[in-house]
Amino acid sequence: DAGVIQSPRHEVTEMGQEVTLRCKPISGHDYLFWYRQTMMRGLELLIYFNNNVPIDDSGMPEDRFSAKMPNASFSTLKIQPSEPRDSAVYFCASRAGATGELFFGEGSRLTVL
Amino acid sequence: SQKIEQNSEALNIQEGKTATLTCNYTNYSPAYLQWYRQDPGRGPVFLLLIRENEKEKRKERLKVTFDTTLKQSLFHITASQPADSATYLCALRDTGRRALTFGSGTRLQVQP
Repeated sequence: DAGVIQSPRHEVTEMGQEVTLRCKPISGHDYLFWYRQTMMRGLELLIYFNNNVPIDDSGMPEDRFSAKMPNASFSTLKIQPSEPRDSAVYFCASRAGATGELFFGEGSRLTVL
Repeated sequence: SQKIEQNSEALNIQEGKTATLTCNYTNYSPAYLQWYRQDPGRGPVFLLLIRENEKEKRKERLKVTFDTTLKQSLFHITASQPADSATYLCALRDTGRRALTFGSGTRLQVQP
């Protein structure tokens, strides 16, 4: 398996623009997580899905952020409109079952100017 | 409030020595705790999982201890090598939740 695949790896955009980050989890994994990592706040959970259903989105900063999982092999995290404080590395991770290790993608580094 | 604390200062040790990293938590009742390694520009990679009823877990040169009374986990790398240089993150899953919460990580630098 190729692992968790994220795109784009790097995104530079201007304030106010819409940003869409994409994730393909490992086949057969039924949990998908979106995390955000910054120097100040570390790795923070934004939202997670189980069997494509959002379970906990309490970490989503505000209404500008939205996430979808239309099927078992694809998820998106959208920021609209983006702001400079959204600059961070966004990680997608997947897991098989309720316990066990998380498999992370390589992250999407977002810079909002 | 809930906290997971790892030493924010980098740990510098000589090759061949044992590195010991600390993870302390407050206001959690973790079902299990995990340790991850993260290299610059990469995603975290799983190393070890230890459950609440386990005191110690080993994997090759790695050893993790878990003391639920002290609310602390220790992560040891024996016979450290320069290739072990990375940031190490602890993460725990609170009882009744499905998601992991991560500490901020400790950077380890092993000098040749």
